[in-house]
Amino acid sequence: DQQVKQNSPSLSVQEGRISILNCDYTNSMFDYFLWYKKYPAEGPTFLISISSIKDKNEDGRFTVFLNKSAKHLSLHIVPSQPGDSAVYFCAATYYGGATNKLIFGTGTLLAVQP
Amino acid sequence: DSGVTQTPKHLITATGQRVTLRCSPRSGDLSVYWYQQSLDQGLQFLIQYYNGEERAKGNILERFSAQQFPDLHSELNLSSLELGDSALYFCASSTDGKTGQPQHFGDGTRLSIL
Repeated sequence: DQQVKQNSPSLSVQEGRISILNCDYTNSMFDYFLWYKKYPAEGPTFLISISSIKDKNEDGRFTVFLNKSAKHLSLHIVPSQPGDSAVYFCAATYYGGATNKLIFGTGTLLAVQP
Repeated sequence: DSGVTQTPKHLITATGQRVTLRCSPRSGDLSVYWYQQSLDQGLQFLIQYYNGEERAKGNILERFSAQQFPDLHSELNLSSLELGDSALYFCASSTDGKTGQPQHFGDGTRLSIL
């Protein structure tokens, strides 16, 4: 049972435009969400996170939006740059529980065209 | 550089064999996690250790085992290997293993079973 879903396997965007990556989850017990970026032959790198008590968190060009009622989150990258081309993973976890193990989506491959 | 070191980077072996993957966490991190990424899949949580004690278990096969040593490095042991065990194995670490502090990943060990 896939508790975290990224339904778009890939996304292509022009440099300078906005990239929007989407993620849905099914488990209402998740209360903390993270986005990771992964380049080939490297491990995932943490990008940005959001607690379920917020609906938006911003860090530079990256903004994450959370819609709890829809169990949906999205990552906005503005403006997109060629160096942003990578696989983006959405992950969910439990804050302050016995474990903060991450439940990952299957990833979205973002290609930013110069 | 995440500060998490995984060795070896690549491992090629045959069915029925046993291998050990090693992980050194970031300095100061007490919690270590192991994840498996099969082809075109997201990362699947295997097991978490905190300061030498097992904290959480995912869908880890009985043929797999792990431990965290007093110096906080961790090893993942995979035995009676099958073709389906071919995957990328990632180790991650975090400070306390409970809150939303992000996990930092190593670059993974690519295991190929022939």
